[in-house]
Amino acid sequence: GQNIDQPTEMTATEGAIVQINCTYQTSGFNGLFWYQQHAGEAPTFLSYNVLDGLEEKGRFSSFLSRSKGYSYLLLKELQMKDSASYLCAVLDSNYQLIWGAGTKLIIKP
Amino acid sequence: DADVTQTPRNRITKTGKRIMLECSQTKGHDRMYWYRQDPGLGLRLIYYSFDVKDINKGEISDGYSVSRQAQAKFSLSLESAIPNQTALYFCATSDERDYNEQFFGPGTRLTVL
Repeated sequence: GQNIDQPTEMTATEGAIVQINCTYQTSGFNGLFWYQQHAGEAPTFLSYNVLDGLEEKGRFSSFLSRSKGYSYLLLKELQMKDSASYLCAVLDSNYQLIWGAGTKLIIKP
Repeated sequence: DADVTQTPRNRITKTGKRIMLECSQTKGHDRMYWYRQDPGLGLRLIYYSFDVKDINKGEISDGYSVSRQAQAKFSLSLESAIPNQTALYFCATSDERDYNEQFFGPGTRLTVL
């Protein structure tokens, strides 16, 4: 079966750095997405990786290792507004997005 | 104006009632999706459509049906609502020209009593 694993919940301090990991086992691979979702709201796109390596976009970076079935999302200079769930999703061989359950990130002052 | 809209945004109904949730998009995308989200379970795919003539079941299609009336419209129906269909429902669109990124509507919060 297809599976995406990420931690259920993480806590970090305002101003710090946090890394959210995602491991996946899917039928094929056509890219990996990270989305941010605030409670009760729609998911919004953060990043897309299809090749190995690091993609940096402002305070957020995303890394991919296809051989290891592994990705992480790195959030720097954390702000209170970063408190949200972070969803990892993989585009499989049928171009279906397979979703992880999400990581709830709690930011403390 | 929002690219993907959903109506209604909130709905409370009773067991056994027929409910229709509507989704419209102005992005010009061929692919549309319906998801439900329950606390702690992430997004689960109900149905998806890759064009007007294409409808496919997702992970949890039992108890649901869909209609793709046009490229821009994709409706989800609950023929006879039951309490465990209480959830947050999202419509999304995608297109290979946009790297298959999914764009989400604002969601419909459905409560079945």
